[in-house]
Amino acid sequence: GQNIDQPTEMTATEGAIVQINCTYQTSGFNGLFWYQQHAGEAPTFLSYNVLDGLEEKGRFSSFLSRSKGYSYLLLKELQMKDSASYLCAVLDSNYQLIWGAGTKLIIKP
Amino acid sequence: TAGITQAPTSQILAAGRSMTLRCTQDMRHNAMYWYRQDLGLGLRLIHYSNTAGTTGKGEVPDGYSVSRANTDDFPLTLASAVPSQTSVYFCASSDFLAGGPNEQFFGPGTRLTVL
Repeated sequence: GQNIDQPTEMTATEGAIVQINCTYQTSGFNGLFWYQQHAGEAPTFLSYNVLDGLEEKGRFSSFLSRSKGYSYLLLKELQMKDSASYLCAVLDSNYQLIWGAGTKLIIKP
Repeated sequence: TAGITQAPTSQILAAGRSMTLRCTQDMRHNAMYWYRQDLGLGLRLIHYSNTAGTTGKGEVPDGYSVSRANTDDFPLTLASAVPSQTSVYFCASSDFLAGGPNEQFFGPGTRLTVL
């Protein structure tokens, strides 16, 4: 079966750094996505990794290890507006996205 | 540009009734998708279409049907609604290329309650 695991909820402090982990077991791999979803809104694209290593985009970075079936999203200099759910998704062998349940990130002042 | 629009925003529907959720995109994307999102679960694919005139079944297609008569529109129909179809429904589109990133863009969602 296909499975994507990420923590249900995390709490962090404004201005700090947080790492959200994602492990996956899928039939094939054609890339891994991170999306941000604020409560009551649609998911929006954050990052895409298809090769091993770190992709940096401003305050957000995403890392991938295909051999370990593992990715993380790193958020630096946290702001209150970063309070949201972060969704990990893998593009499988049929080019369909398999989604994790999401990690709800709570930012405290 | 509008991107992807969905209608209605929300709806309360009696069990056994039929309903069509509308989705329109103006990005000329070839691929479109319908997902449902339930608390504690990831987005689950209902149906998809890689190009106009073709559709495919996703992970949870039972009770739903779709059509793709043109590039822009991808309606989702519930023929006879049941309470388990209470969910938030998202339509998405992407510029589908084999080997490409296929980033998906999402509509604002339709919140459906079946009583």
